[in-house]
Amino acid sequence: LAKTTQPISMDSYEGQEVNITCSHNNIATNDYITWYQQFPSQGPRFIIQGYKTKVTNEVASLFIPADRKSSTLSLPRVSLSDTAVYYCLTRDDKIIFGKGTRLHILP
Amino acid sequence: NAGVTQTPKFQVLKTGQSMTLQCAQDMNHNSMYWYRQDPGMGLRLIYYSASEGTTDKGEVPNGYNVSRLNKREFSLRLESAAPSQTSVYFCASTLREGRTDTQYFGPGTRLTVL
Repeated sequence: LAKTTQPISMDSYEGQEVNITCSHNNIATNDYITWYQQFPSQGPRFIIQGYKTKVTNEVASLFIPADRKSSTLSLPRVSLSDTAVYYCLTRDDKIIFGKGTRLHILP
Repeated sequence: NAGVTQTPKFQVLKTGQSMTLQCAQDMNHNSMYWYRQDPGMGLRLIYYSASEGTTDKGEVPNGYNVSRLNKREFSLRLESAAPSQTSVYFCASTLREGRTDTQYFGPGTRLTVL
């Protein structure tokens, strides 16, 4: 079973900042948190990965509090093309995807 | 550098037929995975191979077999296809660096079993 919990779906509007929170209460001490994005009819693609505090790249930011029991993916100024499913994963012996969060961006 | 390739892209089978889905990666990764994704659902792990010569079951292995032919190739076989196996199948190659894993996915095989 996936070790993470995320909202099933979210709606937002173009130009807004979107924050998707993932719960991983049982994360192991050395585990990283990884987020993937999946567009319709495509395989998931890596977005961002982090261990603690804040990580930022050209696509998103990842915020991880000190207790590391949750993480928040932040997408700045979303556009219609950000409509996708977003998955949060923590490492295990094998890589299990949960159901992800279906993000729908409205005009 | 093609990344992860999968063949075929589409396939229609009749119940009881067999077929093999092919996956190859040119990134020299040790780990490879097979997932299935039903419409509107998340990915479910079928089998994975942590390294050449090893394979392990995932969440939904029944009805499937796998072969890690060499470091590049990881095939998935349906011995007797059933309508419940209608799905999109994704292969992924995994870069493991220290405590981090990053997966690279192929384009998928869309399988319909009638």
